[in-house]
Amino acid sequence: DIQLTQSPSFLSASVGDRVTISCRASQGIAGYLAWYQQKPGKAPKLLIYAASTLQSGVPSRFSGSGSGTEYTLTVSSLQPEDFATYYCQQFKSNSQFGGGTKVEIK
Amino acid sequence: EVQLVQSGAELKKPGESLKISCKASGYIFITYWIGWVRQMPGKGPEWMGMIYPGDSDIRYSPSFQGQVTISADKSTSTAFLEWSSLKASDTAVYFCARRQQWLVGDYYFYGMDVWGHGTMVTVSS
Repeated sequence: DIQLTQSPSFLSASVGDRVTISCRASQGIAGYLAWYQQKPGKAPKLLIYAASTLQSGVPSRFSGSGSGTEYTLTVSSLQPEDFATYYCQQFKSNSQFGGGTKVEIK
Repeated sequence: EVQLVQSGAELKKPGESLKISCKASGYIFITYWIGWVRQMPGKGPEWMGMIYPGDSDIRYSPSFQGQVTISADKSTSTAFLEWSSLKASDTAVYFCARRQQWLVGDYYFYGMDVWGHGTMVTVSS
């Protein structure tokens, strides 16, 4: 099984901040990585697939990068609606989710 | 509109059986994988497995193999998740989601692009 480790688990930020979330895979996943945003009581929402491709309708302040075992989700200027929990998911071998990063208001 | 509509909340006792559903509409059901995801209270999502309704190919996560059964009915465009004997630790929200694929360069990449609203399953004596 491929394990995904997200960091940090929790971060406190202000509106307008640049935020970066990391997702590390236990082995190379060749870009087979997606990122999701989840708000309480709701299903996850797809933000990015193929590590860096923005899903249709997702604001351009979200971006993804990475390769091999190291991947990053960046929010260039945090908006009030972006306070949520973010998860990565790999599709290289079966599938798994990372443990999540909760982004809260400072 | 592409939609996945899940069955309603369930309250069951340990040892009981259960089958929850996920009805697809707005797209060709047999041409997309449908995945199931567990989310225990206060925890992150966990991948359970997925089914390709076109030929009923099923892939289970090792953690859930033998614990649940995934199936689909092409005639009603519905996917199912089933337990034969529930445990208290099965208490969770269960989501179904469609796996979309995109051709990027020479390879297909994936993401779960449409999700059901979730089915809350509570197992308590």
